[in-house]
Amino acid sequence: DADVTQTPRNRITKTGKRIMLECSQTKGHDRMYWYRQDPGLGLQLIYYSFDVKDINKGEISDGYSVSRQAQAKFSLSLESAIPNQTALYFCATSEVWVLYEQYFGPGTRLTVT
Amino acid sequence: AQSVSQHNHHVILSEAASLELGCNYSYGGTVNLFWYVQYPGQHLQLLLKYFSGDPLVKGIKGFEAEFIKSKFSFNLRKPSVQWSDTAEYFCAATSRGSGNTGKLIFGQGTTLQVKP
Repeated sequence: DADVTQTPRNRITKTGKRIMLECSQTKGHDRMYWYRQDPGLGLQLIYYSFDVKDINKGEISDGYSVSRQAQAKFSLSLESAIPNQTALYFCATSEVWVLYEQYFGPGTRLTVT
Repeated sequence: AQSVSQHNHHVILSEAASLELGCNYSYGGTVNLFWYVQYPGQHLQLLLKYFSGDPLVKGIKGFEAEFIKSKFSFNLRKPSVQWSDTAEYFCAATSRGSGNTGKLIFGQGTTLQVKP
């Protein structure tokens, strides 16, 4: 089984809709991250969490919110989706004391029409 | 501001050609450097990493990278590419030291297309 899973893998939604992307991990890592990938821009950090009680904004958090329900679960929400948020979204995890190597999930392709 | 820059956005090579992808970083202090690969339809996988020590690091699938501190560079190399190396390659960095969050800063990515 995959260590980092994301659901859904693909989603098409309409402008103004609320949508949640979920991430689960079995690696036992404390740190979790949400990135979005846009062609020609690489990956940009949206939010990150060091543990259940510690959530921080990344470079591009506007229009997004997150919830860390448990050590293993980190959800990303778009409260009111806009076409500009069409992108590939990745969840990642890392272990605090292993020099910041991150493990990525398979990604969620989100299209906002 | 911290940043990572990849010079080549799209590279096309024939099989057996040599590969070098450029990566420069702008960071104060000590950095950790990474190369990730994303094969078509797959998630990012770590190719190799540099934390300290020997500046020439070897990764999986015959890839290597050289950390040149004076040039703020961490270029990826492979002597002979294969069609299966077709993928997108990302350079990334994170800083170490007090206040470090472990956040990765990614470059824009380089798409490598290898022709059989």
